[in-house]
Order: sequence, then C-alpha cells, then structure tokens
Amino acid sequence: EVQLVESGGGLVQPGKSLTLSCAASGFPFTRHWMHWVRQAPGKEPVWVARVNGYGDTTEYADFVEGRFTISRDNAKHTVSLRMHSLRVEDTALYYCVRRLLEAGVYDVWGQGTMVTVSP
Amino acid sequence: EIVLTQSPATLSVSPGERATLSCRASQGPTFKVAWYQQKPGQSPRLLIFDSSTRVTDVPARFIGNGSGTEFTLTITSLQSDDFAVYYCQQYYTWLWTFGQGTRVEVK
Repeated sequence: EVQLVESGGGLVQPGKSLTLSCAASGFPFTRHWMHWVRQAPGKEPVWVARVNGYGDTTEYADFVEGRFTISRDNAKHTVSLRMHSLRVEDTALYYCVRRLLEAGVYDVWGQGTMVTVSP
Repeated sequence: EIVLTQSPATLSVSPGERATLSCRASQGPTFKVAWYQQKPGQSPRLLIFDSSTRVTDVPARFIGNGSGTEFTLTITSLQSDDFAVYYCQQYYTWLWTFGQGTRVEVK
C-alpha cells in the first residue's frame, strides 16, 4: 500500500523550532519529487517546499524566508522539514505529499501533522 | 503567480442532481488544471488532472472540462459521498497554486 505518514507537529511558541518527518512506503521513493503542503483551518492548501528524488535540489515558498529546510533520506524513505523562527501565521496542518510522475499534481497525501504556533 | 478563482463559494444541491463547479485562472492558456476533493477531517484526494483525466478509481460521474482560463468540474448525479469541498489547482507555471475552494452541501 502506498502510504505517507507524518509526525512531529505540536504546539510551540513564536520563535521556536520544530522538525516534521514523513515516512514513505509502498512506492519507488527515489523516483518522486516530494513536497510539503500546508493548510490553515478553513483555507486552501498552500505549497511550502519541495525536494527532488536525489535530494540535491530544493525549493521553498517565498514566505519561508530561509526559515525552513527540506531534506530526504532515501535509504530510510523519509522526508523532513526543519522549521526555525516559527511565526503565528505558520499555524496549519502540514501535509507530506507525493508528486505524480507525469504531471505537477499531488497524487498521494499523508494524514497531516498539526503545527500550532502560539504565545 | 497564477491566481485561481473558484465559484460559487458554496453550492447547495440535492442528491441525484448535477453540480457544476467553476475555476478561472488569471493567466493562460493552459490545460494543466487538477481537481481535488476534501471531506471533513480528511486529506485532499486527487480526482482529475490535465483538465479532464480521471485518476484511477474515480467514478465516471466526475467530469473535468475546460481549457484556456476557464475550467469546470461537473458531478453528474450527486451521491451522498460527494458532499465535500473541491479545490482546483494549476500547474501551468511554477508556483503551483490552489483555488480557494467550493463547498458542495446538501440542499
């Protein structure tokens, strides 16, 4: 079964750090770009970051402003998102998602891990 | 960045009726639009990509159409399982973006 399972979310104060993890299984992991997408309550999903199959190419949304780092461990089939200097506006459900090979869409989503940034 | 505008924000439909959801892109032309369904407490589920290609196991009552800057998702006969929020997404140009969603509710 194709599966993505996120972990690591929680309640943190502004300015603190958090690392999200995503365990992938059931598919050829290195063939796929992996992304993090977040969704604030009642809002549409918003792309956060992506990493290529080799792990040597990464890209971030403008609002990240150098605070987040995406990485992958192909031996362990995991993707991580390290987040520093968290802000209240980073509060959202963070999804690990797989990009479909033949199109720029997300065909597999994890269940999400909630990040709440609050004083 | 391409902005996607979905309409209406909420669509009230009776079971068995047809629902038509719209998505307008601020730039085009493109056919690189996808549709997702999201039920309460669940992750989004990809239904359609390349404007009209259904993903495996998506029922035939879900029909995607459109090109240029205007796109539609039609659900030909709404089932109880179809009441949800639907998002369109464009991947014509990077940064890929989502619309703000259309909620399909029971009339």
